[in-house]
Amino acid sequence: DAGVTQSPTHLIKTRGQQVTLRCSPKSGHDTVSWYQQALGQGPQFIFQYYEEEERQRGNFPDRFSGHQFPNYSSELNVNALLLGDSALYLCASSPGQGIGQYFGAGTRLSVL
Amino acid sequence: EDQVTQSPEALRLQEGESSSLNCSYTVSGLRGLFWYRQDPGKGPEFLFTLYSAGEEKEKERLKATLTKKESFLHITAPKPEDSATYLCAVQGQTSGSRLTFGEGTQLTVNP
Repeated sequence: DAGVTQSPTHLIKTRGQQVTLRCSPKSGHDTVSWYQQALGQGPQFIFQYYEEEERQRGNFPDRFSGHQFPNYSSELNVNALLLGDSALYLCASSPGQGIGQYFGAGTRLSVL
Repeated sequence: EDQVTQSPEALRLQEGESSSLNCSYTVSGLRGLFWYRQDPGKGPEFLFTLYSAGEEKEKERLKATLTKKESFLHITAPKPEDSATYLCAVQGQTSGSRLTFGEGTQLTVNP
């Protein structure tokens, strides 16, 4: 049983570029959440998708957007990259909007 | 707004030296408190969910406990492979499904 899978594992971009990160949820899970984790910090909630709609959003600018597909997989898009967007981006999935989330290994984004 | 504070920020133990990590939280109606283990460059690995004060859960050398204001992760006779960052997170009644994390405790166990 595959857990949460994310791609790519590492990414290097320059300021001003755009990036797309991908996530496939754990089998049986239909809700996907995205988190940003800066070095030495705890993960910060970006947004959550359920039934192909954004259901909740954290304190992140509109440069951060997402999408959920009918097979429950999800994308995180970040436009106009800033140096401060360098972080580990984590995807988490859960069954419905219930208790607890399981995390993928993350995508390490470096913005130069 | 939900808040989580973990202490200490870092903890260095000798193999076999038991200790506890603390997670203090404020939340408007606790749905669940979660402990995760995170190895460098990896995603958080789920350890425990606690739902109400007085609840305890154990897994190998780890035991998590919960009160109305804090949770403890007790580590008994740790081994070097227990070295990792331990994250605490809460999910509140008014915060939907989002998790609010603390900054983590970086645990190092020396042989």
